[in-house]
Amino acid sequence: GEQVEQRPPHLSVREGDSAVITCTYTDPNSYYFFWYKQEPGASLQLLMKVFSSTEINEGQGFTVLLNKKDKRLSLNLTAAHPGDSAAYFCAVSAPGNYKYVFGAGTRLKVIA
Amino acid sequence: NAGVIQTPRHKVTGKGQEATLWCEPISGHSAVFWYRQTIVQGLEFLTYFRNQAPIDDSGMPKERFSAQMPNQSHSTLKIQSTQPQDSAVYLCASSLDRGISNERLFFGHGTKLSVL
Repeated sequence: GEQVEQRPPHLSVREGDSAVITCTYTDPNSYYFFWYKQEPGASLQLLMKVFSSTEINEGQGFTVLLNKKDKRLSLNLTAAHPGDSAAYFCAVSAPGNYKYVFGAGTRLKVIA
Repeated sequence: NAGVIQTPRHKVTGKGQEATLWCEPISGHSAVFWYRQTIVQGLEFLTYFRNQAPIDDSGMPKERFSAQMPNQSHSTLKIQSTQPQDSAVYLCASSLDRGISNERLFFGHGTKLSVL
């Protein structure tokens, strides 16, 4: 079955620096990709949903890159600020497969 | 819309006791998922319901875990004879389920289970 590896498990950056979180997956049929953000004490919230057909996805203050050849998904936070401090999880699914597979998470701390 | 509601937020049980966790999905959502969250493992899939019917419980430890969805407004996860290794945050999520797998999941705040 699908396996998702997420790195790094912990990340600490200074305010204004960039932060990069990467997930690698194994199933070449994976087609839908998600990033969720979980702030302390809060529920997981969708950050972005990405389709296999789009390699570069721009969000507010972040970019999601999808490299299908290498089966790698990355979340790039540009100019991180303390409000970005949270746990981030990637998730992957394949068409017709409801079983979303999550990465183990990255705990990001942005130091002011 | 109150979102996915999970109760209780925290539950402490003694080893060997039973724990029942409750989830109320978002009204109109036909898919309900249960995940277990730990620091080491992240989010582990437990079970999935579609239109109240159990579809996949392949992630459930077979002997002590069971899940039900008696009506469209709530689901329960029951753990019998709890063990310390069951300590985790149990997350319930719901989504629209239109036969494709790109629906976003809406998560509850989770129930933090502590087995002493």
